[in-house]
Amino acid sequence: TQLLEQSPQFLSIQEGENLTVYCNSSSVFSSLQWYRQEPGEGPVLLVTVVTGGEVKKLKRLTFQFGDARKDSSLHITAAQPGDTGLYLCAGGNAGKSTFGDGTTLTVKP
Amino acid sequence: GAGVSQSPRYKVAKRGQDVALRCDPISGHVSLFWYQQALGQGPEFLTYFQNEAQLDKSGLPSDRFFAERPEGSVSTLKIQRTQKEDSAVYLCASSYSWRNAYEQYFGPGTRLTVT
Repeated sequence: TQLLEQSPQFLSIQEGENLTVYCNSSSVFSSLQWYRQEPGEGPVLLVTVVTGGEVKKLKRLTFQFGDARKDSSLHITAAQPGDTGLYLCAGGNAGKSTFGDGTTLTVKP
Repeated sequence: GAGVSQSPRYKVAKRGQDVALRCDPISGHVSLFWYQQALGQGPEFLTYFQNEAQLDKSGLPSDRFFAERPEGSVSTLKIQRTQKEDSAVYLCASSYSWRNAYEQYFGPGTRLTVT
């Protein structure tokens, strides 16, 4: 069974602070996705990383894929209340995506 | 264009009833996935279709769960003789092709409550 562990489980910060959340596994994935999910909605795809060591930036969000393609991190600079949500990572292999349990981020104004 | 839609959004069933959950994927998307999401957890894979072919159903919890996609578009997840432990949000996702299968577009989910 491929497991993805996300940490921290919960994170509450003030607007303007920086943060990093992590996604770790003992398995190698062909690609890794990050999603954001808001209450009552389905997850929304933020980014896909494919190559070990890859770094992608999406405005204030920076995503990194580990060299061994087993782990990933998401860094948010100058967090805003609109960043509040559940951040999920998902690893892809053999046509199947395995999701972590997510990090619930709350950004207070 | 329209995103993935699911119906109903909410379903309350008495234990033992059968339910059918519908998913309309994005038009032209080849791959379709069903997930189960329990409160406070990430989505768990149930099954996967490529066009009308069900390629993987390893995540279906029991033989009470059945999914179909007869014409390679709309899909239905059926749960027979519902049990309380079936209460969860059922998410459907689609992707453009098998090459991009992991980049999935999700519907809003159906919240199933079994009483």
